[in-house]
Amino acid sequence: QKEVEQDPGPLSVPEGAIVSLNCTYSNSAFQYFMWYRQYSRKGPELLMYTYSSGNKEDGRFTAQVDKSSKYISLFIRDSQPSDSATYLCAMSSSASKIIFGSGTRLSIRP
Amino acid sequence: DTGVSQNPRHKITKRGQNVTFRCDPISEHNRLYWYRQTLGQGPEFLTYFQNEAQLEKSRLLSDRFSAERPKGSFSTLEIQRTEQGDSAMYLCASSFTEGDEQFFGPGTRLTVL
Repeated sequence: QKEVEQDPGPLSVPEGAIVSLNCTYSNSAFQYFMWYRQYSRKGPELLMYTYSSGNKEDGRFTAQVDKSSKYISLFIRDSQPSDSATYLCAMSSSASKIIFGSGTRLSIRP
Repeated sequence: DTGVSQNPRHKITKRGQNVTFRCDPISEHNRLYWYRQTLGQGPEFLTYFQNEAQLEKSRLLSDRFSAERPKGSFSTLEIQRTEQGDSAMYLCASSFTEGDEQFFGPGTRLTVL
């Protein structure tokens, strides 16, 4: 069993829809939780970075962490075609070594 | 450009050859990380440095792999006697300190024929 599980998709939604992405994990020592966006043939770009449980909002993006359920989510409101990318959840116990999910491919249809 | 840079961006080599990649982190970032990403997977941790000290190495980093950061600035990752299974994207990231965000470079795509 992988430490971090993420549905690979692909996920296709119409422009303007709310997108929900999520991951589950097994290591209760994880304290730092991240979401990265990766365009084809590019390096990952950090979207959201949270410590411990709770919610964090940044523009159209909201990240949620539920440590009791070992479950994290990323919501994208008013989705745009430019949001089409692979979204990687990531987590760490020490903020040094990051463990990534396998990524969810997201496509926003105009 | 003040981001993380990596060179070369692409490398094609024949099995058995040695290759070396370079990573230049964001200026004044003390921590430097190497990851490997294969198609359809997320990045996998390989190793990281605090200044010039290599603090952790993954079991993925076999004896054929070596990483250095001699002056605490740029880093090199060398793969000796490359195998087809080494074909992947090699990503470098840097952060100011522990607990800080890691910023990734564009990666070096290695193809071993």
